[in-house]
Amino acid sequence: QKEVEQDPGPLSVPEGAIVSLNCTYSNSAFQYFMWYRQYSRKGPELLMYTYSSGNKEDGRFTAQVDKSSKYISLFIRDSQPSDSATYLCAMSEGSGYSTLTFGKGTMLLVSP
Amino acid sequence: GAVVSQHPSWVICKSGTSVKIECRSLDFQATTMFWYRQFPKQSLMLMATSNEGSKATYEQGVEKDKFLINHASLTLSTLTVTSAHPEDSSFYICSARRTGSSGANVLTFGAGSRLTVL
Repeated sequence: QKEVEQDPGPLSVPEGAIVSLNCTYSNSAFQYFMWYRQYSRKGPELLMYTYSSGNKEDGRFTAQVDKSSKYISLFIRDSQPSDSATYLCAMSEGSGYSTLTFGKGTMLLVSP
Repeated sequence: GAVVSQHPSWVICKSGTSVKIECRSLDFQATTMFWYRQFPKQSLMLMATSNEGSKATYEQGVEKDKFLINHASLTLSTLTVTSAHPEDSSFYICSARRTGSSGANVLTFGAGSRLTVL
C-alpha cells in the first residue's frame, strides 16, 4: 500500500459545481496536510495548509482533515474553468517539509 | 509574494551531455531547497535536499554522482544532470523553504524544467 493514495481522475464537472477531492494515507504520524494546485507544465502552487484534524476555509476552498480515518478532502465551491488543473495532496510528519509526501494528483476539468 | 525562478523551463539535449538547471529564490533567502522529479501522471518524488554551504542529502536510489547539486548561496541552487540519457527525461522541479508570516515553514515551488534527452 502506498503512503498516500489519490484518485488520478480526470474529474469533469460543469462550471458552478461543488468539487470534492480526496486523499487517503497510511502513516498515522502525518500531522501537516497541504493541497497544491498544478497547472500544466508549471510547478505546484500551495492552496491550503492545515495542521492536525479539522476544517480550514479560504474563499471558495475548504480543506478537511480526519486523522482518525486518515482521510483528507478539498472542497471547491462554485467551480470555475480557471480551476481546471491537477490538485496534489501532500503531507508530512514535521513542519520542515523534508519528509513531504505527495499524492499522484487529481486532474480536474471544469467546463463552461 | 515569494517567487522561485527556475531556468531553463525546457531543455533538449543529446544523450551523453550534461545539463544544468538553476533554481533561484528571487525575494527571499532560502537556506534549504529541494529538488523533485515528476514523471507524467505521477507524483513529485523528492530527489535531494540542498542546504546552503553544505553537501546535499540525497534520497535513497538517487545517484549523487549523476545528479550533482550545488547550493553555493542563499538564493541559488543548481542541479546538474551529468551524462544524461533518455531515461533521465522528466520534469524537474525545485522548491525553496522560508518562514512565513505565521512562523510556519512555507514551501515555494519553481515552475519546473522539462528535460528531454534524445
